[in-house]
Amino acid sequence: GAVVSQHPSRVICKSGTSVKIECRSLDFQATTMFWYRQFPKQSLMLMATSNEGSKATYEQGVEKDKFLINHASLTLSTLTVTSAHPEDSSFYICSRSGPTEAFFGQGTRLTVV
Amino acid sequence: AQSVAQPEDQVNVAEGNPLTVKCTYSVSGNPYLFWYVQYPNRGLQFLLKYITGDNLVKGSYGFEAEFNKSQTSFHLKKPSALVSDSALYFCAVRDGPNQGGKLIFGQGTELSVKP
Repeated sequence: GAVVSQHPSRVICKSGTSVKIECRSLDFQATTMFWYRQFPKQSLMLMATSNEGSKATYEQGVEKDKFLINHASLTLSTLTVTSAHPEDSSFYICSRSGPTEAFFGQGTRLTVV
Repeated sequence: AQSVAQPEDQVNVAEGNPLTVKCTYSVSGNPYLFWYVQYPNRGLQFLLKYITGDNLVKGSYGFEAEFNKSQTSFHLKKPSALVSDSALYFCAVRDGPNQGGKLIFGQGTELSVKP
């Protein structure tokens, strides 16, 4: 069964509003989780590393104020897309690492209208 | 710097024929290599990994991959393709155990298996 649960799977929001995406580690306390963004039929781009109890580490070029990450507990990381614009429309995927391989959530399709 | 290359954007195979999806990598240390599959609007599903040991790795759904250190390749193979194998496939690398689980992905290869 799934070890990483991501919610919602699909969301439509209006421009200028904020949207929160949740990522839960179901079987393991994760001090670190990862957020990726994926454009249609393209690869996954790492946006940020979510660290429990401390600030997230953002990849170069990712706006910290637009993509707010909170990792308040060992099983939950959230990504909030603030003041959403149509160009933020994308597929967002979270993951957590295991001893060797990583485990991924089912993804969230965000559409900003 | 770590990198992964999947030279083919798309691979087309007839059902029942063998398939190969290519992947080459570049890392400074010993690589941890992975293959994942993605169905439309879904997250990534783990197929197989190479950490150490035998160069031929067997994974889920009849897939296997061969680690070739001299050619820095990790091609994904299956002896007999199914229509249901049609999906997007990603090769990924992690530079050993000390990167906290951060993966570097190839650009993906879309596999299309026709009846």
